[in-house]
Amino acid sequence: AQTVTQSQPEMSVQEAETVTLSCTYDTSESNYYLFWYKQPPSRQMILVIRQEAYKQQNATENRFSVNFQKAAKSFSLKISDSQLGDTAMYFCAYNGGSQGNLIFGKGTKLSVKP
Amino acid sequence: EPEVTQTPSHQVTQMGQEVILRCVPISNHLYFYWYRQILGQKVEFLVSFYNNEISEKSEIFDDQFSVERPDGSNFTLKIRSTKLEDSAMYFCASKHTGAVATNEKLFFGSGTQLSVL
Repeated sequence: AQTVTQSQPEMSVQEAETVTLSCTYDTSESNYYLFWYKQPPSRQMILVIRQEAYKQQNATENRFSVNFQKAAKSFSLKISDSQLGDTAMYFCAYNGGSQGNLIFGKGTKLSVKP
Repeated sequence: EPEVTQTPSHQVTQMGQEVILRCVPISNHLYFYWYRQILGQKVEFLVSFYNNEISEKSEIFDDQFSVERPDGSNFTLKIRSTKLEDSAMYFCASKHTGAVATNEKLFFGSGTQLSVL
């Protein structure tokens, strides 16, 4: 069975600094997608970034980028120039099935301090 | 951007009662999902639905739960005889296709917070 592990329950970063959130996963699939979702206090699930496993190039979305290491099954999220609005829970998620259901990690609570 | 709509945003019920959580997926989407998140815990998959039938379900989705698409727009989750441990945020999500081999986004609703007393 596929699993997603986020080993950092909480992290904090100073505004304008860079922070990296870790995620590892386990799968025997060769074709899959990985995602980072942001969940602010409103509890809305907001897609931050996604990575296709067959693409070697790391995905980037503005201040958000990933370090995807397929052999190591690692998928970390880097947030550059952190902003107060980045304060949220961040969930790493895996999708390898045909039906599109996601498997989530337990989340990392990120606090951006002024 | 199109939205998945969930109602109500909060639902309070007594233990043993039945509740129906409602969702309106995005209109041209074909795959529908329910997830739940117990406070402070990770988001867990419950069930996926396609072509008017359940396509996949997790161990959580036992006989207490059922889903239905009663008309062309609504997608509901029914919980019979609610238990205290059913208290959670329930998220509906939809997607146009189910294939992994697309980079299609899964759209989440804002969730229904269910509190069982």
